This record gives sequence, C-alpha cells and structure tokens, in this order.
Amino acid sequence: SQTIHQWPATLVQPVGSPLSLECTVEGTSNPNLYWYRQAAGRGLQLLFYSVGIGQISSEVPQNLSASRPQDRQFILSSKKLLLSDSGFYLCAWEKTGVRGYTFGSGTRLTVV
Amino acid sequence: AQKITQTQPGMFVQEKEAVTLDCTYDTSDQSYGLFWYKQPSSGEMIFLIYQGSYDEQNATEGRYSLNFQKARKSANLVISASQLGDSAMYFCAMREGWGFGNVLHCGSGTQVIVLP
Repeated sequence: SQTIHQWPATLVQPVGSPLSLECTVEGTSNPNLYWYRQAAGRGLQLLFYSVGIGQISSEVPQNLSASRPQDRQFILSSKKLLLSDSGFYLCAWEKTGVRGYTFGSGTRLTVV
Repeated sequence: AQKITQTQPGMFVQEKEAVTLDCTYDTSDQSYGLFWYKQPSSGEMIFLIYQGSYDEQNATEGRYSLNFQKARKSANLVISASQLGDSAMYFCAMREGWGFGNVLHCGSGTQVIVLP
C-alpha cells in the first residue's frame, strides 16, 4: 500500500535561519507531489507541485523553494526564514487519473 | 475569483444530530471533481468523500453524503448522526480536470464542534 511520510512534525526556527522539510512517498512510482501551506484558521494554499524528477512548478512567488531530487522525494526549502513563513505545511501526492489526494501528517513551523 | 467558497467559518452541532456544511464552487470546466476533507486538531487531512462532475447520483460514504447541485454549483456535505469525534475543521475542495498540474483548490474551511 502507498504511504506518505513527512518530517519533522514540529519545528521552531529563528528568523533568518534555513529550512528543509522532507516528504517521501512509498509504494508508488511517478506520483504528482504537492506542497501546501495552511495559515492558522485558514484554507490550504498551494506552494509548489511536481510531476517528475527535477520538475517544479511554483504557484506563489515567495521566500521558499522546492526540489525533487528523486522520484518519490519532495523537499521544501528556504535560505532565510521570515516570520510570515510560520504555518502548517502539508505534503500531498496523487496518481494521475486516480481521484483524490493523500496528504502527509504535516509540519507545524513556527518562526520566532 | 474564489474557486471554492465556504461561508460558515464555524458551527456547533448537538451529538446525534445531522449537520450540513455549505460549499459553492466556481468553474467553467465540464470535467471536475469535488472533495471534502476533515482536519482534526492533529493536523492531518483525511479524505471523506468525492463527487465527480458527471456523477448523476449524490456520493455517500457511511455517515457522509454530498448534496451535489450542479446547476447551483454547490456541493454541501451532510454528516448524519454527529459524533464527538466529528469535531474538526472541514474543507471543501475542487480539482478541474485530471491532467498534470491540475491542482486542488481548497475553501477556507468550516470548524465544526460537536456538543455532548
């Protein structure tokens, strides 16, 4: 069966520090991968999506970047965090043509 | 324009009663999918129910049913016989088409609190 792993679950980082959040999917190949951010009490905002290794599409220009070094690995990064980067980050995957996304358990990032 | 609109930021419901969560959507595509997700306080997003734009019957999954009114572009979620464990944030979402990069548009969510 397919599973999605996301870590860390919680992170507190100072302003100006770097960020690296990792997401991996098991049990499938060539998934579409997504990074979403959820600000407190709000809906999901799509940040990046990827349809293959090295292929990244950005929905919202900001302080973050994403990379897909392997088929089932999706990384969200920042060189210098801002206070406004605080939020709940969710990774998701889907198989093209199959309905529904599967979300990871999320990372709660607090920038202080 | 907003793709998904959820007008109820929060609501209380008595245990064992039914509750309807409103969702309207905006699309010019003929082929799209509608989803409802549940997000408990732990943060994970749990898939509840799916309705395809060409599905003629309303989707049902256990205590969840989706009231799909295509002409009105609404996709309300009905939870029957509410349980305390139903307390969570609920998100309505839409995907237009099924090709690469057809992303999931989410509403702002409705916080449901089930009272004993």
